[in-house]
Amino acid sequence: GENVEQHPSTLSVQEGDSAVIKCTYSDSASNYFPWYKQELGKGPQLIIDIRSNVGEKKDQRIAVTLNKTAKHFSLHITETQPEDSAVYFCAGGVDYGGATNKLIFGTGTLLAVQP
Amino acid sequence: NAGVTQTPKFQVLKTGQSMTLQCAQDMNHNSMYWYRQDPGMGLRLIYYSASEGTTDKGEVPNGYNVSRLNKREFSLRLESAAPSQTSVYFCASSTNNYGYTFGSGTRLTVV
Repeated sequence: GENVEQHPSTLSVQEGDSAVIKCTYSDSASNYFPWYKQELGKGPQLIIDIRSNVGEKKDQRIAVTLNKTAKHFSLHITETQPEDSAVYFCAGGVDYGGATNKLIFGTGTLLAVQP
Repeated sequence: NAGVTQTPKFQVLKTGQSMTLQCAQDMNHNSMYWYRQDPGMGLRLIYYSASEGTTDKGEVPNGYNVSRLNKREFSLRLESAAPSQTSVYFCASSTNNYGYTFGSGTRLTVV
């Protein structure tokens, strides 16, 4: 089955700096890679996702890159702000285009943005 | 605009007691999931339901049972709670895997 590893487990940056979180996956069949942000006391929320037919996707200050050959994908946050402080999870799974897919999550990265 | 609703939000059980965690979604999603979240372990899939009437085991199903009551509701049952089941439980739903919507979680403590 799929195994997703995530690094680092904690990350502290200064406000305005960039943050990068990396994940690797094991199942070459996986083709869907979402990222979730979890604020304290809340459930995870989808912030961006990427499919294996795309190498990079951007949404304002966040971007995700995917390297299928190396089986790794990364989340990039630029111009970090204190409200970016949260736990971020990567996940991987297979999108059969209609059938369900169970996502396997990484262990999470606690991002702290210091003002 | 409720999304995924989980009840209760907090629960304390004694070892050996049973309880059911409730989950309901109002987005007409086909698939529903139960995850548990433990420090340093991320989110681990307990059970999932691809569609009404079907359920399948995830990564950590032992000690749990589920029921997909209808398209909206997916419950998780602990028949005989153990301290190892102390965790935060999240229900999620999705349609064709286009992103999960999570509930706000149930924090369960087994003493």
